[in-house]
Amino acid sequence: AQTVTQSQPEMSVQEAETVTLSCTYDTSESDYYLFWYKQPPSRQMILVIRQEAYKQQNATENRFSVNFQKAAKSFSLKISDSQLGDAAMYFCAYRSPYRYGNKLVFGAGTILRVKS
Amino acid sequence: IAGITQAPTSQILAAGRRMTLRCTQDMRHNAMYWYRQDLGLGLRLIHYSNTAGTTGKGEVPDGYSVSRANTDDFPLTLASAVPSQTSVYFCASSVSGGAEAFFGQGTRLTVV
Repeated sequence: AQTVTQSQPEMSVQEAETVTLSCTYDTSESDYYLFWYKQPPSRQMILVIRQEAYKQQNATENRFSVNFQKAAKSFSLKISDSQLGDAAMYFCAYRSPYRYGNKLVFGAGTILRVKS
Repeated sequence: IAGITQAPTSQILAAGRRMTLRCTQDMRHNAMYWYRQDLGLGLRLIHYSNTAGTTGKGEVPDGYSVSRANTDDFPLTLASAVPSQTSVYFCASSVSGGAEAFFGQGTRLTVV
């Protein structure tokens, strides 16, 4: 079974600085999808960024980028120029291909605090 | 507005009672999911359905049941609630094949 590990329960960053959230996963599959979701205090789950495993290029969405290391099974999220609105719980998630059940597996989450 | 709707948004339930959490989506997504969120454990999959008429067990299915009579609805039933089922429950949906999942606003359930 696939597992996703987020080893940092909490992280803090100063406003305007850069922070990296870590995520590792375990799988025997060769093609899959990886996601970072943001959950602010409103409880809403918001997709931040997505990466297809067959793509070597790291995904980027404005101030958010990932460092995808397929061989190491690592998928970290970098937030540049951190803003107060980035404070939230962040979840790393793995999605297996349809033929393997298409399930979405989450890590335990990392609480990000942004200091002004 | 297209999306996924859960009801109720919160509920306090006496132990031993039966409860159904409702989930409806209007995006015509094939796949639907139920998760529970607990601090320190993240979101854990309870049950899922890849298409109408089929369901599967997730990581923590005990004490829960689901049905998928049509594409839009995916109710989650607690047959006899216990305090350990106190949690926030999320319903999600997606197009089959790897696209991102869209989530409802969650249901906060407290079993006393």
